[in-house]
Amino acid sequence: QLQLQESGPGLVKPSETLSLTCTVSGGSISPFYWSWLRQPPGGRLEWIGFIHYSGSTKYNPSLTSRLILSVDTSKNQLSLSLSSVTAADTAVYYCRLGTPGDGFDTWGQGTMVAVSP
Amino acid sequence: EIVLTQSPATLSLSPGERATLSCRASQAITTYLAWYRQKPGQPPRLLIYDASKRATGVPARFSGSGSGTDFTLTISSLEPEDFAVYYCQQRYNFFTFGPGTLVDVK
Repeated sequence: QLQLQESGPGLVKPSETLSLTCTVSGGSISPFYWSWLRQPPGGRLEWIGFIHYSGSTKYNPSLTSRLILSVDTSKNQLSLSLSSVTAADTAVYYCRLGTPGDGFDTWGQGTMVAVSP
Repeated sequence: EIVLTQSPATLSLSPGERATLSCRASQAITTYLAWYRQKPGQPPRLLIYDASKRATGVPARFSGSGSGTDFTLTISSLEPEDFAVYYCQQRYNFFTFGPGTLVDVK
């Protein structure tokens, strides 16, 4: 059974870069799309972007200038890098199989990231 | 950006009752709409995609309808695990989510 696990620092300072990893187990990253989403405390979900196992990406236009998604098929891992973070980037970050609403429903448990001095 | 609005913000019902949740899109999205249920501390669970298709393993008490700009999620008889927040989400143009409807116990 496919399982996803997000990992990364729980605290990032303003203006620094937030880096997260999603490790996929129980299956292969190929030939799928993989998405990142986030949810601020008490707030609605926001789609961050998706990446194909081949490396092609599509980003939320509001985050494009600060975001890099990558994939390492040898390690079965996805990565997210978000630069110049502010308090508005404080959220639970999720990785999931597929693109939102496509019928797939495999998610990581999420990892909380707080942006604070 | 396509904006989704949900109503009501809160729905107070008893177990066994029928729940009807609404989602409206700021422009037509054909049937590219999904519904999720989220409990505290958990990721969302996909219930319905493409407006009316039940996701794998979702009980038959959940049904979705609508097209264009107006959509409905119906829960025919509320179970204890259904008291949660429900989000709609469109995939017609990028991906956006609604603000959620809280279904709580009356």
